[in-house]
Amino acid sequence: DAGVTQSPTHLIKTRGQQVTLRCSPKSGHDTVSWYQQALGQGPQFIFQYYEEEERQRGNFPDRFSGHQFPNYSSELNVNALLLGDSALYLCASTTPAREETQYFGPGTRLLVL
Amino acid sequence: GEDVEQSLFLSVREGDSSVINCTYTDSSSTYLYWYKQEPGAGLQLLTYIFSNMDMKQDQRLTVLLNKKDKHLSLRIADTQTGDSAIYFCAESFSGTYKYIFGTGTRLKVLA
Repeated sequence: DAGVTQSPTHLIKTRGQQVTLRCSPKSGHDTVSWYQQALGQGPQFIFQYYEEEERQRGNFPDRFSGHQFPNYSSELNVNALLLGDSALYLCASTTPAREETQYFGPGTRLLVL
Repeated sequence: GEDVEQSLFLSVREGDSSVINCTYTDSSSTYLYWYKQEPGAGLQLLTYIFSNMDMKQDQRLTVLLNKKDKHLSLRIADTQTGDSAIYFCAESFSGTYKYIFGTGTRLKVLA
């Protein structure tokens, strides 16, 4: 039973560039959330996707956008990268029947220079 | 508002019990969680408790919830070196889908 997978594992970009991160949810899960974890901090909620729609959004600017595909996988896009976007980006999946539990992937570490 | 606080560091000797504490401000949480994060890795769900419960035990883990004081704790019995990691508490709320995380407690287990 595959858990949550994310790609790539590491990424280096420069300011102003755009980045796309990918996530495949745990088998049987149809809901994907994205979190940003800055160094030394807890994860911060970016948004959640369900049925290919953004269901809820945290306090992040419009430079952060996402997409969910029919197979439930998801992408996180960040435009006009800033140095402060350097962080570990975590994807978590769940299903409406068990929304009290979320399972996290290993994350993508993004460094913006 | 939503705020979750944890102490930054805890050091214990192998075989002792560890107690990691968390305080939160929003009493409308539905579930409270403990996650473990090892270096360079994602978050592993350890256990969670429904907000109308006082205690939950799961093998070496005991969760205590004091709703009056808005205090959550995680006790790890017989702590092992493999338990060294960062532990995050988090809460979720009815009607929303986001989790609010604390800043994490780094547990160091000394051999």
